[in-house]
Amino acid sequence: KAGVTQTPRYLIKTRGQQVTLSCSPISGHRSVSWYQQTPGQGLQFLFEYFSETQRNKGNFPGRFSGRQFSNSRSEMNVSTLELGDSALYLCASSVDQGPWEQYFGPGTRLTVT
Amino acid sequence: GENVEQHPSTLSVQEGDSAVIKCTYSDSASNYFPWYKQELGKRPQLIIDIRSNVGEKKDQRIAVTLNKTAKHFSLHITETQPEDSAVYFCAATSGSARQLTFGSGTQLTVLP
Repeated sequence: KAGVTQTPRYLIKTRGQQVTLSCSPISGHRSVSWYQQTPGQGLQFLFEYFSETQRNKGNFPGRFSGRQFSNSRSEMNVSTLELGDSALYLCASSVDQGPWEQYFGPGTRLTVT
Repeated sequence: GENVEQHPSTLSVQEGDSAVIKCTYSDSASNYFPWYKQELGKRPQLIIDIRSNVGEKKDQRIAVTLNKTAKHFSLHITETQPEDSAVYFCAATSGSARQLTFGSGTQLTVLP
């Protein structure tokens, strides 16, 4: 099976702009979670989607949002970008029932200038 | 919420020696504990995991132990090789949530 894919791989944006990142899960996986990775804060959970519904949300401001489509692909959006939003954004997919293993995509490296 | 502490932050071992990384968690309801390996510029890769109904799990040179009473779990790598050099993250979650709480990571360096 193909692994988790994310697009784009790299992005450079300016403060105040918005950005949309995309994640395609492993075929058959219906849960998609998003994480932010920074040197200072490490890996932090953003939110999880299953069956087009947000099931869990981490402690991030409302500028961070997401959605999931009927084919399980997911997008996350960050509005009004701040310098501190520069990070590697990772998505992970998992089968909803049974094993809880989460498999990560390669990430999108976002740089805000 | 859950809090996961990981030690040490850096670890250097000679090739062939063993390496041990330890994590503690705060939420007694946590019941799934994965370990990820992340090489520079790569995605985190799941290398082993353990559920709360199991005390130990092995996969070739890698093993994980869990002590629910003390709320800590450890990763053991035996016969280390240079390709084991990477950052290792522990994580914990509870129930059916997919919300992993990660430790701060351990930079493992295996010296040839």
